Amino acid sequence: DAGVTQSPTHLIKTRGQHVTLRCSPISGHKSVSWYQQVLGQGPQFIFQYYEKEERGRGNFPDRFSARQFPNYSSELNVNALLLGDSALYLCASSRTGRSGYTFGSGTRLTVV
Amino acid sequence: KQEVTQIPAALSVPEGENLVLNCSFTDSAIYNLQWFRQDPGKGLTSLLLIQSSQREQTSGRLNASLDKSSGRSTLYIAASQPGDSATYLCAVQFNEGGGADGLTFGKGTHLIIQP
Repeated sequence: DAGVTQSPTHLIKTRGQHVTLRCSPISGHKSVSWYQQVLGQGPQFIFQYYEKEERGRGNFPDRFSARQFPNYSSELNVNALLLGDSALYLCASSRTGRSGYTFGSGTRLTVV
Repeated sequence: KQEVTQIPAALSVPEGENLVLNCSFTDSAIYNLQWFRQDPGKGLTSLLLIQSSQREQTSGRLNASLDKSSGRSTLYIAASQPGDSATYLCAVQFNEGGGADGLTFGKGTHLIIQP
């Protein structure tokens, strides 16, 4: 079985631009979560979706948004990019959202 | 504010030693606690998941314990090998009574096993 897949693996954007990151969960997993990890820190929770509905949101500005599709894949959108948005963005899937998580390899976003 | 703290921040030991990594958390109302390994520039690999009703989990040379009442977990690595070198992250899923269900991570322990 395929694990959690994220695309793209690397991305370079300019300040003020918009970015969309994509995630496909493990087959049978209905929950997807997004995390931001800056260098030297643990991942920070951004969003959790379960059965296409937002279940939780971390302390991130409204420039960050996400959605989950009927096939349980997910997109994370970030508008008006800032230099500080440069980070590794991780997607994780879970069968129920409270049964442990499997992470993807992440998308490395660099904002210049 | 719910927080997760990991001690030590970094650790370097000779190959073959047994070692313990520590994780503490501020609220005993949790769903579960999960230990991850992260290699440089990579994603997270799940090592062990402990549900709130469990006291410990074992996988090969790894053993993780959970003491909710004291807000502590330990990850024990037996007979360490150079391939164990990585950053180890502790993550707690707090029970916020219907609020955000994300994981709260510690900053990690950077482990180096010297050949």
